[in-house]
Amino acid sequence: GAGVSQSPSNKVTEKGKDVELRCDPISGHTALYWYRQRLGQGLEFLIYFQGNSAPDKSGLPSDRFSAERTGESVSTLTIQRTQQEDSAVYLCASSLALGSPNYGYTFGSGTRLTVV
Amino acid sequence: AQSVTQLDSHVSVSEGTPVLLRCNYSSSYSPSLFWYVQHPNKGLQLLLKYTSAATLVKGINGFEAEFKKSETSFHLTKPSAHMSDAAEYFCVVSVNDMRFGAGTRLTVKP
Repeated sequence: GAGVSQSPSNKVTEKGKDVELRCDPISGHTALYWYRQRLGQGLEFLIYFQGNSAPDKSGLPSDRFSAERTGESVSTLTIQRTQQEDSAVYLCASSLALGSPNYGYTFGSGTRLTVV
Repeated sequence: AQSVTQLDSHVSVSEGTPVLLRCNYSSSYSPSLFWYVQHPNKGLQLLLKYTSAATLVKGINGFEAEFKKSETSFHLTKPSAHMSDAAEYFCVVSVNDMRFGAGTRLTVKP
């Protein structure tokens, strides 16, 4: 597609429920990144994919968080048993290749998650 | 591992005066450096990037930044602030992934 697409744009969920956030990167972009931005704070790095491989999962906040990617396409970020502190905007970005800033990183518009 | 520190959480300037947003980075490898801007309720927009070419980088809207390896700095400047510059600014260091600073909120007074 023309840009990075994230869905849903807004999600309100009850505490304890599971949620799945979707990111559809730009076609042909092999690298994909997930970030979290809490209200009034900076971006917190969660995980990146090179193809469908995520070499470093240490940025995920807890074992309730998981992410996967199908080939070089859609990625899903799953949060199990959501807590109120999970409320944030979850941003996805993609780039043509890992560590290739000359190609630029494109961000999606984010999913605003509210846990009530 | 790489990290970035934005030295000021909030900067306030008067319209027409210079802007300086400070950023220091740490990286084991030669990094790429970026500045992004985020206006209220809007997405992230790339202002400029440094990728080992010229050390003085010019971006959009009159912003520029200078890469100083000896000081591990990448400060963002603009000669004359405009009201529309009021936003959150993020300094970013990148080797494989992108690590964001905590952000600097720029306020521009009339």
